[in-house]
Amino acid sequence: AQTVTQSQPEMSVQEAETVTLSCTYDTSENNYYLFWYKQPPSRQMILVIRQEAYKQQNATENRFSVNFQKAAKSFSLKISDSQLGDTAMYFCAFMVANAGKSTFGDGTTLTVKP
Amino acid sequence: DTGVSQNPRHKITKRGQNVTFRCDPISEHNRLYWYRQTLGQGPEFLTYFQNEAQLEKSRLLSDRFSAERPKGSFSTLEIQRTEQGDSAMYLCASSLEGFDGYTFGSGTRLTVV
Repeated sequence: AQTVTQSQPEMSVQEAETVTLSCTYDTSENNYYLFWYKQPPSRQMILVIRQEAYKQQNATENRFSVNFQKAAKSFSLKISDSQLGDTAMYFCAFMVANAGKSTFGDGTTLTVKP
Repeated sequence: DTGVSQNPRHKITKRGQNVTFRCDPISEHNRLYWYRQTLGQGPEFLTYFQNEAQLEKSRLLSDRFSAERPKGSFSTLEIQRTEQGDSAMYLCASSLEGFDGYTFGSGTRLTVV
């Protein structure tokens, strides 16, 4: 069974600064996908970024980038130039290739302060 | 396409009653998923469909829970004889392939009193 651990229940960052959210996972699979989702207060969850395990290059989406360390089973999310609208709960998720379900961590609540 | 739609948004029911939730996925997505989320925790997998076939069901899903996707389009999740422990947000998501990531609906918040 796969597990996903987010060790930071809460974090805060000043507007315009950079913050990194941590995620580690445990699996015996070699081919899988990793995701970060954002859930703003009282709003639906949206996909932020995804990473294929077979790709060494770290994924980037505008201000969001990941640091994927396959050997260490680590998948952190870096948010640059933080904005007030980044305030949300962030979930790390894992999916085995060709499987249906994703396994989610318990989330990190990020607050961006003005 | 308006995204993934879930109805109702909120449901309050008395313990022992049956409830049914509906999910309308993005029309071109053939995969549909149901998750349950309690406060302060991440979504927990319940079941998923590829087209009309239910391909996986969580062991956590008791016999009181049943899900259908009769024509490979919308899906329903029914909970029979609700218990207070069923109180949670029920999330529906859809995707084209799975590895492309999910599009979530806004969820149905169930409160069992």
